[in-house]
Amino acid sequence: DGGITQSPKYLFRKEGQNVTLSCEQNLNHDAMYWYRQDPGQGLRLIYYSQIVNDFQKGDIAEGYSVSREKKESFPLTVTSAQKNPTAFYLCASSPFGPAAGELFFGEGSRLTVL
Amino acid sequence: AQSVTQLGSHVSVSEGALVLLRCNYSSSVPPYLFWYVQYPNQGLQLLLKYTTGATLVKGINGFEAEFKKSETSFHLTKPSAHMSDAAEYFCAVMGAAGNKLTFGGGTRVLVKP
Repeated sequence: DGGITQSPKYLFRKEGQNVTLSCEQNLNHDAMYWYRQDPGQGLRLIYYSQIVNDFQKGDIAEGYSVSREKKESFPLTVTSAQKNPTAFYLCASSPFGPAAGELFFGEGSRLTVL
Repeated sequence: AQSVTQLGSHVSVSEGALVLLRCNYSSSVPPYLFWYVQYPNQGLQLLLKYTTGATLVKGINGFEAEFKKSETSFHLTKPSAHMSDAAEYFCAVMGAAGNKLTFGGGTRVLVKP
């Protein structure tokens, strides 16, 4: 089945540790996105990529890093520089053109810092 | 720059009653507008979208929304609520030439039997 796969679903981290969240898609979409979701704040864009080997910062990129070495994959690293990393992280993809904005989401990764 | 405001973080409706979720946007270019739904501990799913043309847009699960340029609004409605409509709903905007969505804060819908 085509879709977005995020892993792990739940992740616990000690303060000071970097963690990497995986996002893989088999929809052949060019664009991929990472959003952070906190209660009452909606979704905030962390990073996005429209093409392999290129990505742009979103609204809250500080303390995060990404790579886009393959069209199918867009991993997110939450670094120790991120002051408040506990959140629900959502990865999404979309095609270009008229269907841009029609995002397909993964089921999310919930990160808890202990 | 663009932004989205959803009025009411929580809405409670009785089963069979009208569902009305309010969304106002600001955009410096003609907007594309979207409504997404999120069930607990899941990703978001597209309900409907407006790009150009007819201002009344029909989506999945009996939902519809009307684009009103003069009011900069894109309210979501459903004539008769069902228990399965309990979820969180997000309005989003993208400039017509843009490449990323800006989401509102979300409205959580509770359906009472």
